[in-house]
Amino acid sequence: DIQMTQSPSSLSASVGDRVTITCRASQGITNYLAWFQQKPGKAPKSLIYAASSLQSGVPSKFSGSGSGTDFTLTISSLQPEDFATYYCQQYKSYPLTFGGGTKVEIK
Amino acid sequence: EVQLVESGGGLVQPGGSLRLSCAVSGFTFSDHYMDWVRQAPGKGLEWVGRTRNKANSYTTEYAASVKGRFTISRDDSKNSLYLQMNSLKTDDTAVYYCVRENSRNSFDYWGQGTLVTVSS
Repeated sequence: DIQMTQSPSSLSASVGDRVTITCRASQGITNYLAWFQQKPGKAPKSLIYAASSLQSGVPSKFSGSGSGTDFTLTISSLQPEDFATYYCQQYKSYPLTFGGGTKVEIK
Repeated sequence: EVQLVESGGGLVQPGGSLRLSCAVSGFTFSDHYMDWVRQAPGKGLEWVGRTRNKANSYTTEYAASVKGRFTISRDDSKNSLYLQMNSLKTDDTAVYYCVRENSRNSFDYWGQGTLVTVSS
């Protein structure tokens, strides 16, 4: 199985900050990497697929990059609605696997 | 508007069975691969399994933790996805989400989830 490791597991940031979350795959996945946002008590929301493509309706403050084993999700200017947990996921091979999540909290 | 609505969750004893349903609308269901993803209380996301579309013979894939116990099926005429869960264990306690895949085989739309509690 491909292991997905996110870092950090949590972070504190202020409104307006630029935030970067890292995801590392245990083996190469080319660009079969997605990012999701989840708020407490809610279903996850899809943000990015193919490592850097925004899902329809997702604001451009979210961006993704990377290829192979190392990927990043960047939020350019953190807003109150962005405080949530973020997950990466590989869909290169079975079983599809998720990272452990990064909780973004208010400083 | 794309909508996915799960139902069928509830309390079941260990060793029991439960069938979840996901009713979809707002898109051509028969064109899409569909998945189930679960989340145990306070934990992260875990992929359960996938069904491909008719063009790909409705073939399925499963996580090792559920293979042989869970079965994913679909009825394109009813715009519905199903998850038959047998031999349930306490570790299967989770919110179960129905998820649509886009044409690039990435998840795009999620249902609101249905809670399954396995307990005596």
